[in-house]
Parts: sequence; structure tokens; C-alpha cells
Amino acid sequence: EVPLVESGGGLVKPGGSLRLSCAASGFTLSSYTMSWVRQAPGKGLEWVSSVSSSSRYIYYAGSVKGRFTISRDNAKNSMSLQMSNLRAEDTAVYYCARETDDGTYYFESWGQGTLVTVSS
Amino acid sequence: DIQMTQSPSSLSASVGDRVIITCRASQNIRNYLNWYQQKPGKAPNVLIYAASSLQSGVPSRFSGTGSGTDFTLTITSLQPEDFATYFCQQSYNSPRTFGQGTKVEIK
Repeated sequence: EVPLVESGGGLVKPGGSLRLSCAASGFTLSSYTMSWVRQAPGKGLEWVSSVSSSSRYIYYAGSVKGRFTISRDNAKNSMSLQMSNLRAEDTAVYYCARETDDGTYYFESWGQGTLVTVSS
Repeated sequence: DIQMTQSPSSLSASVGDRVIITCRASQNIRNYLNWYQQKPGKAPNVLIYAASSLQSGVPSRFSGTGSGTDFTLTITSLQPEDFATYFCQQSYNSPRTFGQGTKVEIK
């Protein structure tokens, strides 16, 4: 059983919008701090956004602040990333990741990723 | 934001070699340093967390040391399955930041 599965990626034009989802199985997603991490083609890892277990703390990378919104759907045991005003530089594989809750705060579980391509 | 600087960005090594990758933080992050391995087309997997703790299931040839601003990942006796890209990441504060990666290639 794969604990995290992303969906919603695809091809979108610059300025367009896209909503990514991350479905959790085997654990209660709302009990953990969850993040989105992206990787542009051939590049390194870039943290994008995080939401704490209580949803009290939400953080965004400067490169996406004001354009992306992270949210949870506890009833569906899932998380979303609403992306708007997309740019070519947002082209990447987007991973959702679960952070440990024991004070070490590393990304212990990752989804398989979903590819977002921003191109005209 | 805390900047993480890895070196080298790439290296060539042979099976059986000892490989050392370094990671430097732009400020004191205590031991909130994690190492990930990523193979092409796959998600990263954690190898070392809290600077020196080996993740369950990870071979003991991987080890991590360091505290404060300077950290190392050591692979003793490199195996064929270890050819991959390695990233460090700080979890001291948000935003979580990654090093730029070190690609370990076959010599």
C-alpha cells in the first residue's frame, strides 16, 4: 500500500491554474505536518509549502507566495495545492511529503510525484 | 532563509570506494540535518536524519556526522545501487531548505 498518492498534474498555459491533490492511506493525514516539494527537470529539490497538523501554521516559499494555496480535506484524508498564475518556472514534478512528528522533522514518506508543465 | 551548500556537486567513484559528501548551513542548525538519496524518476528516500541517525532499513555503510553548520555523509564501500543523487536538508526551521545535490556517478 502506497501511503501518499499525488494527482492533478498536467499541461497548463502560462497564467493558468491547476489543483494538485495528495491522498493518504494507512494513516490520518491531519495528524502530521504535510508539505509539497517540487523538482524542476534536471534540477534539485525545492520545498514549496507546508501545513502543520493543526493547520495553524502554513508556510510558502517566496517563489510561490500569493499564487499557491495549500489546504487539507480531513474528511477525504487528503491535501491540496491550488496553483494559480502559473509560470514556466513552475514546471516541475510535485511531491507531497509527510514530516515526522517526533521532533526530528524530516520527510519520512513521499508520494510518487505528479508532473506539472507550464507551456504555451 | 537558511542556505544549504553541498559539495561536491558531482563525483565519480568506483565500486568499493569510500565517498564523502559535505553540507554546510548558513547558520547554526544544531543537528537538524537530514540526508536523502534519489534515483532517476523516483522520489527521494531518507538515509540519515538528525545528522547521524540511520533510517530503518538503510545499510550501515551510510553514516552521517556533524553539528552546528558543518555536516558530512559518508558511504563506505560504494555499491552499484548507491549511484544516485544525494541531498541534504535542514529541518531546524521553516522554510525547510535543501542543498543543491551531489550526483554520484560510476567512474
